Amino acid sequence: DAGVTQSPTHLIKTRGQHVTLRCSPISGHKSVSWYQQVLGQGPQFIFQYYEKEERGRGNFPDRFSARQFPNYSSELNVNALLLGDSALYLCASSLEAVLTEAFFGQGTRLTVV
Amino acid sequence: KNEVEQSPQNLTAQEGEFITINCSYSVGISALHWLQQHPGGGIVSLFMLSSGKKKHGRLIATINIQEKHSSLHITASHPRDSAVYICAVSSYTGNQFYFGTGTSLTVIP
Repeated sequence: DAGVTQSPTHLIKTRGQHVTLRCSPISGHKSVSWYQQVLGQGPQFIFQYYEKEERGRGNFPDRFSARQFPNYSSELNVNALLLGDSALYLCASSLEAVLTEAFFGQGTRLTVV
Repeated sequence: KNEVEQSPQNLTAQEGEFITINCSYSVGISALHWLQQHPGGGIVSLFMLSSGKKKHGRLIATINIQEKHSSLHITASHPRDSAVYICAVSSYTGNQFYFGTGTSLTVIP
């Protein structure tokens, strides 16, 4: 059974551009959470989606948005990219909304130049 | 104050040494996770704990719910154990993780 898959693995964008990151959860998992990890820091919570609805949102600007599809995969969108958006973006998959057991993807490393 | 505190921040050990990384948290949790992250890499989940102790190979994780404290032990450390180890707790409300800032471990041959 495949684990949590994220795409792309690496990405370089220029300031002002838009980016879409994708996450496919483990089969049967209905919850996807997104985290941003800036170099040298711990991950920070961005969003949680469960059953296609937003269940939680961290302290991120409106440039960050996400959605979850009927097959439970998810996209994270970031508009008007800033240099400070350069980070590893992690997706976590869990069976239910409560994160008692969760599995992480390998992440997408975004570099904004 | 962070919801999750880890210590030490950095740790250097000789191959074969016994290693302990500590994690304290201040929120009510449904579970605690120990995660491993290699340089430039994604995160691998090592353990998920809600009580007691778990062992996997040379790794042992313990949690004391009353004291809100967990430890990750590595026996007979090896250079391939060099990585950042992160403690994360899933909140009692359940919709997000709180992460520690990580412990950077270097094991020297």
